[in-house]
Amino acid sequence: KAGVTQTPRYLIKTRGQQVTLSCSPISGHRSVSWYQQTPGQGLQFLFEYFSETQRNKGNFPGRFSGRQFSNSRSEMNVSTLELGDSALYLCASRSTSGGPGELFFGEGSRLTVL
Amino acid sequence: AQSVAQPEDQVNVAEGNPLTVKCTYSVSGNPYLFWYVQYPNRGLQFLLKYITGDNLVKGSYGFEAEFNKSQTSFHLKKPSALVSDSALYFCAVRDRDYGGATNKLIFGTGTLLAVQP
Repeated sequence: KAGVTQTPRYLIKTRGQQVTLSCSPISGHRSVSWYQQTPGQGLQFLFEYFSETQRNKGNFPGRFSGRQFSNSRSEMNVSTLELGDSALYLCASRSTSGGPGELFFGEGSRLTVL
Repeated sequence: AQSVAQPEDQVNVAEGNPLTVKCTYSVSGNPYLFWYVQYPNRGLQFLLKYITGDNLVKGSYGFEAEFNKSQTSFHLKKPSALVSDSALYFCAVRDRDYGGATNKLIFGTGTLLAVQP
């Protein structure tokens, strides 16, 4: 079974631009979460989606948004990029039959903002 | 608020020796605790969890963790370290569930485990 797939793996943007990151969960997984990982702030929760509904949202500004499609694929968007948005963005999926908090992570999308 | 702390930025151990990576927690209610591992340029991998039951939890790759309620700790252990265990280890707690199911995890700052041959 294929794992969580994130695209693109690496990207470089400039300040003020926007970016869209994509995540395809493991087949059959309906829950998708996003985390931001930086050296300074560590791993921080962005959003959680289940069956196209946002279930939870972290403490990020409104420039960060996300959505989930009917096939459980998810996207997150960051508008008006700032230097501090440079980070590894990790997507994770979870099976409805799996234990709480047992997440399967993708390898991440590394965003560099210049 | 739920939180976990990993007091050590790095742990060094010789191959074949036992290893311990420390984690303490602060929660309201019963904790759901987890350990994840991250290899270079990779995502996180689930190792083990404590929800309820036995205080000693066994996980992947020979790792185990001991839940200690009186010391509010959840230390990760392995009897004999391998060079291939070298990675970044994260302790995590599930956030409080305010009536709706959530899988939001709050992670510690991570501990870099370096196993010398």
